[in-house]
Amino acid sequence: GAGVSQSPRYKVTKRGQDVALRCDPISGHVSLYWYRQALGQGPEFLTYFNYEAQQDKSGLPNDRFSAERPEGSISTLTIQRTEQRDSAMYRCASSLESSGGYEQYFGPGTRLTVT
Amino acid sequence: DAKTTQPPSMDCAEGRAANLPCNHSTISGNEYVYWYRQIHSQGPQYIIHGLKNNETNEMASLIITEDRKSSTLILPHATLRDTAVYYCIVRPPSNTGNQFYFGTGTSLTVIP
Repeated sequence: GAGVSQSPRYKVTKRGQDVALRCDPISGHVSLYWYRQALGQGPEFLTYFNYEAQQDKSGLPNDRFSAERPEGSISTLTIQRTEQRDSAMYRCASSLESSGGYEQYFGPGTRLTVT
Repeated sequence: DAKTTQPPSMDCAEGRAANLPCNHSTISGNEYVYWYRQIHSQGPQYIIHGLKNNETNEMASLIITEDRKSSTLILPHATLRDTAVYYCIVRPPSNTGNQFYFGTGTSLTVIP
């Protein structure tokens, strides 16, 4: 079956513009996670959903970052008024359930560059 | 905080076993130990996880000490394709969130 997909794969935007990053999880997966990864670092947690409910957004850096999953499937991570420091790889993952020992499956990521 | 400590890098000869250590001295009784790896710029790939018992699958073995304060990931016959960054992660209990804290991992280089 299809894995986690993300679009676009690459996004170049100018400082001050808004961007929307899309994640399409594995069909039937309850939980969806967003991470940000800087070069040479491991992924950094941003937020996660169970179905359409945002369970934890403690990792979002500031109020320019928001995420939604309105129908419990596809999710969008939005960054408003982008800054150069927002440049990173943004990764999405999904898991069958959020409890106990369920692994997360990661998508290929969206490389965001803010110029 | 990642709650785990790993050596930044390791080498292993091709065909030999790669043993990757991880310290997680503050782990609580209901937290799982997960291992992922990341090859180049690909997304992290799940390897194995465990709670208290040792685990084995087609990719690797996970040895968890009896006090659960450390673990070792074993790749029994390392190949060049196993060159990657390996992350040891302690997963918080589900009722406090399910995010994974990756840290910086161990960069494993398999040498021909």
